[in-house]
Amino acid sequence: TQLLEQSPQFLSIQEGENLTVYCNSSSVFSSLQWYRQEPGEGPVLLVTVVTGGEVKKLKRLTFQFGDARKDSSLHITAAQPGDTGLYLCAGGGGAQKLVFGQGTRLTINP
Amino acid sequence: DAGITQSPRHKVTETGTPVTLRCHQTENHRYMYWYRQDPGHGLRLIHYSYGVKDTDKGEVSDGYSVSRSKTEDFLLTLESATSSQTSVYFCSSGGQVPSYEQYFGPGTRLTVT
Repeated sequence: TQLLEQSPQFLSIQEGENLTVYCNSSSVFSSLQWYRQEPGEGPVLLVTVVTGGEVKKLKRLTFQFGDARKDSSLHITAAQPGDTGLYLCAGGGGAQKLVFGQGTRLTINP
Repeated sequence: DAGITQSPRHKVTETGTPVTLRCHQTENHRYMYWYRQDPGHGLRLIHYSYGVKDTDKGEVSDGYSVSRSKTEDFLLTLESATSSQTSVYFCSSGGQVPSYEQYFGPGTRLTVT
């Protein structure tokens, strides 16, 4: 069974600080997605990485896929209150299904 | 964004009652999925579909059934609702290789009393 472990599960920081969220597995994934979910809404896709070592940037968010395609990280620079939400990583497994991490609940305090 | 809608958005029902949740997508995606989201468990796959009339079980399929008669519609049925099925249910579509990206609906909050 493929599992994805996210850490930390909860993170509360002040506006302007930097942070990193990790997504780790012992399994190899063909792709890795990051989603953000706000209360009362469905997850929204932020980025997909498919190549080992790949780095993608989305404004102040930087996503990296590990060289061995077993782990990923999300780094936010100069966090803002609008970054508050639940961040989910998901790995592309077999049969067109995704394996989801437990999520990181991020709170950015003004 | 994929156009995915779910209905109803909220529902309260009694134990033992049958319940059907509906998902509709306008992106002509072949794959569709039903998840439930509970505190401490993240998103767990209930059932998925890989085409019209083609469905398969996920990790938490007991007590649930699905049907897909058209590409755009995917129904989730709780044959006899139990309190343990109180949850938020999300539908998604997509899943194409190599990215496996999925696009989610807004969710249905179901309470079984």
